[in-house]
Amino acid sequence: DIVMTQSPDSLAVSLGERATINCESSQSLLYSSNRKNSLAWYQQKPGQSPRLLIYWASTRESGVPDRFSGSGSGTDFTLTISSLQAEDVAVYYCQQYYTDPYSFGQGTKLEIK
Amino acid sequence: QVHLQESGPGLVKPSETLSLTCTVSGDFISSYYWSWIRQPAGKRLEWIGRIFTSGGTNYNPSLKSRVTMSVDTSNKQFSLKLRSVTAADTAVYYCVRVSWNGYYYFDLWGRGTLVTVSS
Repeated sequence: DIVMTQSPDSLAVSLGERATINCESSQSLLYSSNRKNSLAWYQQKPGQSPRLLIYWASTRESGVPDRFSGSGSGTDFTLTISSLQAEDVAVYYCQQYYTDPYSFGQGTKLEIK
Repeated sequence: QVHLQESGPGLVKPSETLSLTCTVSGDFISSYYWSWIRQPAGKRLEWIGRIFTSGGTNYNPSLKSRVTMSVDTSNKQFSLKLRSVTAADTAVYYCVRVSWNGYYYFDLWGRGTLVTVSS
């Protein structure tokens, strides 16, 4: 099974500053067929279900603000929020869909400093 | 607008069977694949399995011996049964939609339902 590991476990960033969350997979998530990385990011606000933010490591889901961006390839990935807003307080998860069982990172809790 | 709604008992006794149903509104259930995901308190999300509207299934090996999923396309519902539950199965259970292109990221989630295993 593929193990997903996020860092840090928690993060406090000032409003308007950049937030960066990392995700590492235990094996490469790069599909040879389409040269895309099978990595998604989700946001879970308190009391809510997760919301898809990004897929294929860097493609924003419809309606997601452009301050959210994803990058990385192979086994190392990053979610960046370019200018933190108060509504971005949440737990963020990465997920691999390279192969089943599909697996998630442990989550990164993002707070306002 | 498309919605997913989980329903079922919030309390199940140890060794019994957890049964949940997800109702799909505002969408064609046959157009997508569907999954169940759970989240124990304070722990990471865990994929339970997937079902196709043809009835084909695939389960997480860690739960495979205890899980059964089914689909009722006429009522736009799909279901989860988890047998021989223990306290470790206490979690929020989500029904989710697999992305439109069939790759297994999840683009729509139900609100989730808390199931507690306790006597």
